[in-house]
Amino acid sequence: AQTVTQSQPEMSVQEAETVTLSCTYDTSESDYYLFWYKQPPSRQMILVIRQEAYKQQNATENRFSVNFQKAAKSFSLKISDSQLGDAAMYFCALHTGTASKLTFGTGTRLQVTL
Amino acid sequence: GAVVSQHPSWVICKSGTSVKIECRSLDFQATTMFWYRQFPKQSLMLMATSNEGSKATYEQGVEKDKFLINHASLTLSTLTVTSAHPEDSSFYICSARVGQEGSPLHFGNGTRLTVT
Repeated sequence: AQTVTQSQPEMSVQEAETVTLSCTYDTSESDYYLFWYKQPPSRQMILVIRQEAYKQQNATENRFSVNFQKAAKSFSLKISDSQLGDAAMYFCALHTGTASKLTFGTGTRLQVTL
Repeated sequence: GAVVSQHPSWVICKSGTSVKIECRSLDFQATTMFWYRQFPKQSLMLMATSNEGSKATYEQGVEKDKFLINHASLTLSTLTVTSAHPEDSSFYICSARVGQEGSPLHFGNGTRLTVT
């Protein structure tokens, strides 16, 4: 079985500041993929970033980057220069080839304040 | 980019009736689509995996006779909630993968179902 845990139900960050969202996971697979998805109030799921487990280099997408610690099974998301439009629910997700499905964490609601 | 269209966006139905939700891949072919359910302020829970031309694979605890899934073509999967009850009220989201295992899922806009 695979599990994804997000221990922060809510986070708040000031505009232009940096925030880190935590995610831990568990799987017995050696080959897997990790994702962060964003769900704004519109409820449309939007891919933020993707990490392949076999790659040691942390993925980066503009202001979004991850800290992937494979041994610790940790996959945190860092948002730099936070913007009002970043306010949303953020879901960490795990995909393994064996299960062939995406398992989501419980989500972190991010508020961005002025 | 890959677009997944879901229809309707919202629907209200009476208890005991059936509701069909459509999920289309507009610019790509999807041999596999996924149906998720999301309760308010909760995460997405996978209900079933829809396979083109074959039976869907349901997650444990999901009633296959209540949530009928049909994937008759490479661009269309449907979810029918049969004999709906108020507890079926939820947000239903479909998704599809472009490319091989490990590629990101592309999601539809979701359908808010309210059963009165």
